Amino acid sequence: AQSVTQLDSHVSVSEGTPVLLRCNYSSSYSPSLFWYVQHPNKGLQLLLKYTSAATLVKGINGFEAEFKKSETSFHLTKPSAHMSDAAEYFCVVSAPSPNFGNEKLTFGTGTRLTIIP
Amino acid sequence: NAGVTQTPKFRVLKTGQSMTLLCAQDMNHEYMYWYRQDPGMGLRLIHYSVGEGTTAKGEVPDGYNVSRLKKQNFLLGLESAAPSQTSVYFCASNPTGRLSGYTFGSGTRLTVV
Repeated sequence: AQSVTQLDSHVSVSEGTPVLLRCNYSSSYSPSLFWYVQHPNKGLQLLLKYTSAATLVKGINGFEAEFKKSETSFHLTKPSAHMSDAAEYFCVVSAPSPNFGNEKLTFGTGTRLTIIP
Repeated sequence: NAGVTQTPKFRVLKTGQSMTLLCAQDMNHEYMYWYRQDPGMGLRLIHYSVGEGTTAKGEVPDGYNVSRLKKQNFLLGLESAAPSQTSVYFCASNPTGRLSGYTFGSGTRLTVV
């Protein structure tokens, strides 16, 4: 069984300040983890993924995430927020499964990021 | 532009009506999926396909049917729409089905009244 908890449903930061979006997971397997971003009226876009290589993962648009097994966390960060970062962010855990097309994805409920000018 | 295209983008149905959502991808991906997204919930898998001519049930398949007659197309059907099927529907594709990252369409917003 696996689950994902995004600890904040809504985060607001000022432009130019750091961003922190928190994600905790549980999984029976050694998990793979993803962050996706969804801009208004758009599909989900892959930001970054962790697949058991380096624990600090760099993604697109200056985002990065650190996999911490001891804390079962995969928090998303960015040093300086930009207005274009305003969107919904989803943390996703993947585990192998004979069903669901070889892997089961479990999505978090999302964090809406607002950037204050 | 390469990617996943969903049609229509918006639709309003009356209870009991039927409709088909079309998903098309031009990346030669084997795996295709239909998800629904509801407020306060993550995406949930409705049905998926691991290749042309194959389909399988996901987490929430009831009330939906799918077909994959051509590799590039994955159709989602609602035979008798219900208000509980009001949602945003996303199609996605994946080359290998595992860890390779998914390409999502821009969604279909369906309202059943």
